[in-house]
Amino acid sequence: DAKTTQPNSMESNEEEPVHLPCNHSTISGTDYIHWYRQLPSQGPEYVIHGLTSNVNNRMASLAIAEDRKSSTLILHRATLRDAAVYYCILRAYNNNDMRFGAGTRLTVKP
Amino acid sequence: DAGVIQSPRHEVTEMGQEVTLRCKPISGHNSLFWYRQTMMRGLELLIYFNNNVPIDDSGMPEDRFSAKMPNASFSTLKIQPSEPRDSAVYFCASRGLAGFNEQFFGPGTRLTVL
Repeated sequence: DAKTTQPNSMESNEEEPVHLPCNHSTISGTDYIHWYRQLPSQGPEYVIHGLTSNVNNRMASLAIAEDRKSSTLILHRATLRDAAVYYCILRAYNNNDMRFGAGTRLTVKP
Repeated sequence: DAGVIQSPRHEVTEMGQEVTLRCKPISGHNSLFWYRQTMMRGLELLIYFNNNVPIDDSGMPEDRFSAKMPNASFSTLKIQPSEPRDSAVYFCASRGLAGFNEQFFGPGTRLTVL
């Protein structure tokens, strides 16, 4: 399985943008890039996913490098509620399962 | 919809006892996943089902663990006999055909084996 590399932790100030990086240099052409987050004492929740083009939804934006070997999750305006562990995951197009790594623990300071 | 429902939310048992964790997926979803989360190993996929059929159980740690899905609305994860190293939070997730990219997770069951 293609692996991802994320920083262990990041800090942000409330109401400022946050850029969470993910490296996936061994990604294959048909792997989707998924982001989930896990709030304290909760199960993970879906944030966003993409294949080649940048994606936007109500929660975040996903910027994918042209060579697809890295991506960045962008929270446009961090709130205290965004403090969580953020997971970047690769999923093969024909595969049902996802393998979570250690993720990035985001701390948001008031 | 109530989301994915797991029971019990907390379970404390003694080593050697049988433990059964339960999951009710979101109605209409056809895929179900069992995960285990510990501080040491993070979030691990144990097994998943498509249309009630186990597809990949390579993550099941050993023969003490078994999972069933007798119908589309119910699944169990059983540990027999339980050991202290099984202590973890166990999550169930489901996914529908339309939302191929999004898994919906339950609140988890925190298992403590003494």
